Amino acid sequence: GQQLNQSPQSMFIQEGEDVSMNCTSSSIFNTWLWYKQDPGEGPVLLIALYKAGELTSNGRLTAQFGITRKDSFLNISASIPSDVGIYFCAGRTYSGGGADGLTFGKGTHLIIQP
Amino acid sequence: DTEVTQTPKHLVMGMTNKKSLKCEQHMGHRAMYWYKQKAKKPPELMFVYSYEKLSINESVPSRFSPECPNSSLLNLHLHALQPEDSALYLCASSHPGRQGAQPQHFGDGTRLSIL
Repeated sequence: GQQLNQSPQSMFIQEGEDVSMNCTSSSIFNTWLWYKQDPGEGPVLLIALYKAGELTSNGRLTAQFGITRKDSFLNISASIPSDVGIYFCAGRTYSGGGADGLTFGKGTHLIIQP
Repeated sequence: DTEVTQTPKHLVMGMTNKKSLKCEQHMGHRAMYWYKQKAKKPPELMFVYSYEKLSINESVPSRFSPECPNSSLLNLHLHALQPEDSALYLCASSHPGRQGAQPQHFGDGTRLSIL
């Protein structure tokens, strides 16, 4: 099956620093999504990307859909304590049936040191 | 607050019990999904329903039985589960959409423990 390689696996940063994480795949995806998951909760959608080369921002978050459609990155600027959590990339293909499940990366665990 | 509601939040059951997990959304989405998530792992797709019909079953054991009684509800019936089935079970929904373009919105999950 499809696999997504997400890196880094974990990040220890100081408050105020910028953060960058990425996902790569051997397969092409039609959609890239970035989610954040806090303990005891479900994943929350941060950014959705639909076109190769697309660059989208959501507040301090910026994500890009790679031109080859096999990769995506997420940047967080000026990190704050509430940014702590696990960030997942997810890719979606289109099989023509109208609904397809997501393939998730293994997650990046963001830890902010005071 | 999530717009996908899952009940119960926690469930402890024995291996001989029968129980059901429930999921509800009122966003008008016509695609609904079940995922399984083990600790410190990403969610893994189990089932996809599109327009109330099962469209994807990711080779899930028959002790998990999904049901979509209407466009707002999704159930997962559990019977004779094994200890390794202990996990967080997540429900998600989306518009089926064209080109797979519609993002999925997740509930907060049911934490299932099998004794």
